[in-house]
Amino acid sequence: QVQLKESGPGLVQPSQTLSLTCTVSGLSLTSNSVSWIRQPPGKGLEWMGVIWSNGGTDYNSAIKSRLSISRDTSKSQVFLKMNSLQTEDTAMYFCATLSIPGWFAYWGQGTLVTVSS
Amino acid sequence: DIQMTQSPASLSASLGETVTIECRASEDIYNGLAWYQQKPGKSPQLLIYNANSLHTGVPSRFSGSGSGTQYSLKINSLQSEDVASYFCQQYYDYPFTFGSGTKLEIK
Repeated sequence: QVQLKESGPGLVQPSQTLSLTCTVSGLSLTSNSVSWIRQPPGKGLEWMGVIWSNGGTDYNSAIKSRLSISRDTSKSQVFLKMNSLQTEDTAMYFCATLSIPGWFAYWGQGTLVTVSS
Repeated sequence: DIQMTQSPASLSASLGETVTIECRASEDIYNGLAWYQQKPGKSPQLLIYNANSLHTGVPSRFSGSGSGTQYSLKINSLQSEDVASYFCQQYYDYPFTFGSGTKLEIK
């Protein structure tokens, strides 16, 4: 049974760096790709980026300069780091498995991040 | 970026009815399209991929169709558990982009 679970701080101050962890079970990160997707309250979904099964990454150009995705395959964890946070980064952040060529088959429950002083 | 225009933004229908949600891409996406259902307070769940392939475990009353720039999701025999928001997503080109969503309610 595939499960993903996001964790991280619920509150981040403006201009600070966000760090999130996605812990995966039921599949291997060396055979599967994982994406981060976010959803501002009451709004639509934005794809942020992906770490491929081979460890390579691709990012949404709109946030590429602020975003980094990495992983620890031994712990089955995928990490998101995004710097220079602003209030518009307030959102529910999801991790999801990416089935090639590009649909998201399994999702975590999401973690709400609020950017506020 | 490929823009995904979804319609209608909201929809109210009666139990047992058939409803259709449309998604239009700003350019040809060659069937690189998925549909998701998101219930209140939950994460999105995959319904359809490759425009018309049903994901494992999804009821057969859901179906997808379309080609080129125009795609649709049809729900037959609407049931109360279908109350949700529905999103389309293109994966033909980076960045992957989503439609703005359709909120489905029961009349």
